[in-house]
Amino acid sequence: QVQLVQSGAEVKKPGASVKVSCKASGYTFTSYDINWVRQATGQGLEWMGWMNPNSGNTGYAQKFQGRVTMTRNTSISTAYMELSSLRSEDTAVYYCARGDGYSLAVDYWGQGTLVTVSS
Amino acid sequence: DIVMTQTPLSLSVTPGQPASISCKSSQSLLHSDGKTYLYWYLQKPGQSPQLLIYEVSNRFSGVPDRFSGSGSGTDFTLKISRVEAEDVGVYYCMQSIQLPRTFGQGTKVEIK
Repeated sequence: QVQLVQSGAEVKKPGASVKVSCKASGYTFTSYDINWVRQATGQGLEWMGWMNPNSGNTGYAQKFQGRVTMTRNTSISTAYMELSSLRSEDTAVYYCARGDGYSLAVDYWGQGTLVTVSS
Repeated sequence: DIVMTQTPLSLSVTPGQPASISCKSSQSLLHSDGKTYLYWYLQKPGQSPQLLIYEVSNRFSGVPDRFSGSGSGTDFTLKISRVEAEDVGVYYCMQSIQLPRTFGQGTKVEIK
């Protein structure tokens, strides 16, 4: 079965960077996009960007341009999302989610990684 | 960016009764390829979102048939024919016709 398993919770200071990993299994990693979506506590879902694991091509929401980098290691079927210059407003649960290139559905989601930014 | 607007923002439903959630987009979600890129998700308490409906009306794998989606262009509806206790959570619509993907604000469904 399709699974996306994310790395554990992180606590960072303002100005630091965080790198969240997302290990895929149960399907061919390079055949589906990986999206990243975040959710602040008690708030809605916010799409951050996507990556094509085959080509490495990425697309980021304008809000995160210059601060976010999405990469992958195909040998271990793992995607990464790094967010820099962290501020308190970046405190949220970060989800990776598989994107179906045909239906454009974001279909399977990871369990989420809580990133807390606090001095 | 395409703005997705859901109504109502909260809903209290008696088990066995129907429920309906509306989602309106600021631009048409009908692509020139003939598909309409509108999706519905349910986020149960303490869980990740799960896909219910893709391309307006197609139930995702394993989704019970009490869930149905309809609509076209800019107006869409998710219906639950008979709400069950396990259906509680926050429902989101999402569009994929244009980047960035955008979500509705969410509709919280609770059981009376």
